[in-house]
Amino acid sequence: GAGVSQSPSNKVTEKGKDVELRCDPISGHTALYWYRQRLGQGLEFLIYFQGNSAPDKSGLPSDRFSAERTGESVSTLTIQRTQQEDSAVYLCASSSSSYNEQFFGPGTRLTVL
Amino acid sequence: SQKIEQNSEALNIQEGKTATLTCNYTNYSPAYLQWYRQDPGRGPVFLLLIRENEKEKRKERLKVTFDTTLKQSLFHITASQPADSATYLCALDALSGGYNKLIFGAGTRLAVHP
Repeated sequence: GAGVSQSPSNKVTEKGKDVELRCDPISGHTALYWYRQRLGQGLEFLIYFQGNSAPDKSGLPSDRFSAERTGESVSTLTIQRTQQEDSAVYLCASSSSSYNEQFFGPGTRLTVL
Repeated sequence: SQKIEQNSEALNIQEGKTATLTCNYTNYSPAYLQWYRQDPGRGPVFLLLIRENEKEKRKERLKVTFDTTLKQSLFHITASQPADSATYLCALDALSGGYNKLIFGAGTRLAVHP
């Protein structure tokens, strides 16, 4: 079966532009996470969706970051007015519950020039 | 404060030896603890899950222990191979900010030398 997919795989943008990253989770997975990973660093939690509950946005670093999820399907992470420090790999993961194993996508490598 | 600590220093071992990685946590009471492997340029991949009522779990050359008194999990790779070289992350389910979700440690890099 299909795993978690993310698009685009690479995105190069200019400082100040908005970007939108997409995540397609595994069908039926109610939990969806977004993480940021800078080069050589660990996973930085951004946001968590669980079913139809209000998302946990506690990891979003600033109000330039937002994310949406339609039901239990696709999620988009939007970064407005990108800055160079936003350059990182953005990983999405889905899970059948809040504590079960997470399945990660391949990530989107974002470079802000 | 709540913390998950993994050794930030890389672990270097010789092929054939047993690698042991440590995950310590503070101010969490997880029901589950998981270990993942991450290769450069890729997302983490799930390896093992251990429940709080399990002391030990094995899968092929991997063994995980979970000591809720010490608040520690140990991850062992026996008969290590250069292909085992990667970063290993522990994760636990935690109630944080009103949400029950999986929280990751920063990971420990393992290098197995021929």
